[in-house]
Amino acid sequence: DGGITQSPKYLFRKEGQNVTLSCEQNLNHDAMYWYRQDPGQGLRLIYYSQIVNDFQKGDIAEGYSVSREKKESFPLTVTSAQKNPTAFYLCASSILPSGSTDTQYFGPGTRLTVL
Amino acid sequence: GQQVMQIPQYQHVQEGEDFTTYCNSSTTLSNIQWYKQRPGGHPVFLIQLVKSGEVKKQKRLTFQFGEAKKNSSLHITATQTTDVGTYFCAGDSGGYQKVTFGTGTKLQVIP
Repeated sequence: DGGITQSPKYLFRKEGQNVTLSCEQNLNHDAMYWYRQDPGQGLRLIYYSQIVNDFQKGDIAEGYSVSREKKESFPLTVTSAQKNPTAFYLCASSILPSGSTDTQYFGPGTRLTVL
Repeated sequence: GQQVMQIPQYQHVQEGEDFTTYCNSSTTLSNIQWYKQRPGGHPVFLIQLVKSGEVKKQKRLTFQFGEAKKNSSLHITATQTTDVGTYFCAGDSGGYQKVTFGTGTKLQVIP
């Protein structure tokens, strides 16, 4: 909820173009995540990062790339290699205390439509 | 890999009726979380269960974690139109592993 911003809320791109989705958090959380949600479906993990300058592939990383140069920022690039990029993209963050899983706080999401 | 399934996928209830969604994991979980996503919105954390057999209540919502820590349920008593949305469970096998979200149950409440 509060403290995580994603922009823009709606994004339209032509097929074949790369597009970068922004995600910023001011919660001082170590971990950040990117999910994809398709209509009527659950959340699928694209990439996650537990610390600055480190990130891991999730379940559907193909066609996406990320960077984590700063603790508060975790941008996601949807490349032209992603075959079905039209979806609702959600960014989340968590504190990541040692030895347990912390709750995730989600941003408002970006709805990407590729024409 | 870990899989988390939820049933039912959709549920329509008359306002005032009860509702239950079930969450089943292919692996033993260290904890389970529940989230609610309103139509057009983003998931919002509801609760986390950690102990085997744990039961927690939030007003009309009752959350339960199975004895084997592989399943969980969310029960809503006397649904209201404000309960409309998709309910997700999310769990992991412990440590720093990523959380796996369930497939979600979409609840519609008919006034």
